[in-house]
Amino acid sequence: SQTIHQWPATLVQPVGSPLSLECTVEGTSNPNLYWYRQAAGRGLQLLFYSVGIGQISSEVPQNLSASRPQDRQFILSSKKLLLSDSGFYLCAWQASGWDNEQFFGPGTRLTVL
Amino acid sequence: QKEVEQNSGPLSVPEGAIASLNCTYSDRGSQSFFWYRQYSGKSPELIMFIYSNGDKEDGRFTAQLNKASQYVSLLIRDSQPSDSATYLCAGPRNSGNTPLVFGKGTRLSVIA
Repeated sequence: SQTIHQWPATLVQPVGSPLSLECTVEGTSNPNLYWYRQAAGRGLQLLFYSVGIGQISSEVPQNLSASRPQDRQFILSSKKLLLSDSGFYLCAWQASGWDNEQFFGPGTRLTVL
Repeated sequence: QKEVEQNSGPLSVPEGAIASLNCTYSDRGSQSFFWYRQYSGKSPELIMFIYSNGDKEDGRFTAQLNKASQYVSLLIRDSQPSDSATYLCAGPRNSGNTPLVFGKGTRLSVIA
C-alpha cells in the first residue's frame, strides 16, 4: 500500500530564516506530487506540482520554491521566510493522471515569528 | 465564476439527521469529483469519489453528481458528532491536463 510522509510535523521559525520541508511517498511510482498551503480557517492553496523528476510547476509567485530530486521525494524551500508564510503545509500524491484522487500527507504546521 | 464553489457554513444538524453538503462547478466537461473530510488540525482525508451521473453510496455516505445542473453533493445519513468536520469538494480545474481544484470547504457541526 501507499504511504506518504512529511516532516517535520511542526516548525517555529524566525522571519528571514530558511525553510526546507520534505515529503516522500512509498509504494507507488511516477506519482504526481503537490504542495499546498492552508492558512488558518482558509481553503487549500496550491503552491507547486510536479509530474516527474525535475519538473516543477508553480501556481503562485512568492518566495517559496520546490524541487523533486527523486521520483518519490518532493521538497519545499525558502531562502527567507515571511510572516505571511505561516500556515499548514500539505504534501499530496496522485497516481499519474489528472482525474485520479489525491492523497494527503499529515502536514507540517509552520509558524513564522 | 470560481471553478468549484461551496457554502462555507457552518452547517448544523442534530445527531441522527441527514446532512446535505453541496458543491457547484463551472466546467461542463468535468468528469470526476471527490469529497474530502478534514478534522480540525488534521490533513484532508478522501471519503468519496464519483465519476458518473447519479448516486454512489458507501455506508452512511452518498455522493450525487448531476452534470446537467453542474452540481455534486454529499449526503451523510444518521449524522454523528464524529462527522463534525470541514468537507472539501474537489474537481478538475478544466477539461485537460491540470490539477484538481478544491472548494473552500463547508464546516459541518453535528449536535448531540
